[in-house]
Amino acid sequence: QKEVEQDPGPLSVPEGAIVSLNCTYSNSAFQYFMWYRQYSRKGPELLMYTYSSGNKEDGRFTAQVDKSSKYISLFIRDSQPSDSATYLCAMRELLGNEKLTFGTGTRLTIIP
Amino acid sequence: NAGVTQTPKFRILKIGQSMTLQCTQDMNHNYMYWYRQDPGMGLKLIYYSVGAGITDKGEVPNGYNVSRSTTEDFPLRLELAAPSQTSVYFCASSWGQVNTEAFFGQGTRLTVV
Repeated sequence: QKEVEQDPGPLSVPEGAIVSLNCTYSNSAFQYFMWYRQYSRKGPELLMYTYSSGNKEDGRFTAQVDKSSKYISLFIRDSQPSDSATYLCAMRELLGNEKLTFGTGTRLTIIP
Repeated sequence: NAGVTQTPKFRILKIGQSMTLQCTQDMNHNYMYWYRQDPGMGLKLIYYSVGAGITDKGEVPNGYNVSRSTTEDFPLRLELAAPSQTSVYFCASSWGQVNTEAFFGQGTRLTVV
């Protein structure tokens, strides 16, 4: 079993739709949860991070973490064509272990 | 502000050849990382460094070597290139503290034929 599982997609939705991206994980030591966005032929860039369980909102983006279910989500409201990219979840244990474990990424296309 | 700079952007190697992928950052970050990204496989950590003179293996270190003589530079060396090393390589850096962002370079696309 992979430490982090992510539906690879591809996922295509019309502009303005709500998008839900998800990851599950098996390592209960993960405490920091991140979402990276990667445009085609570019390096990943950090979109959001959360610590432990709970929600975090930043503009049109909301990150949710449910540690009891080992499940994290990223919601995109009012999706725009510029949101078309690959989204990677990433996780890390507490201090002393700086290594990130990434999901495989979900390719998202927003159709105008 | 350049951030993390990788060179070259593209390279084709023959089996058995060697090369060095260069990575430099101008943010004075302590932590630097090398990842490889294969289609459908996400990012796999090859090596990382927590400061000048200190390196450690990641998840997939075989066939690679690194050094960290300065804070800014973290080159990745491929010895005896193999087709299995065909991938996109990303260098990243961070402060290494809690909740800090890892900044990625633009990547190096390597093909071994």
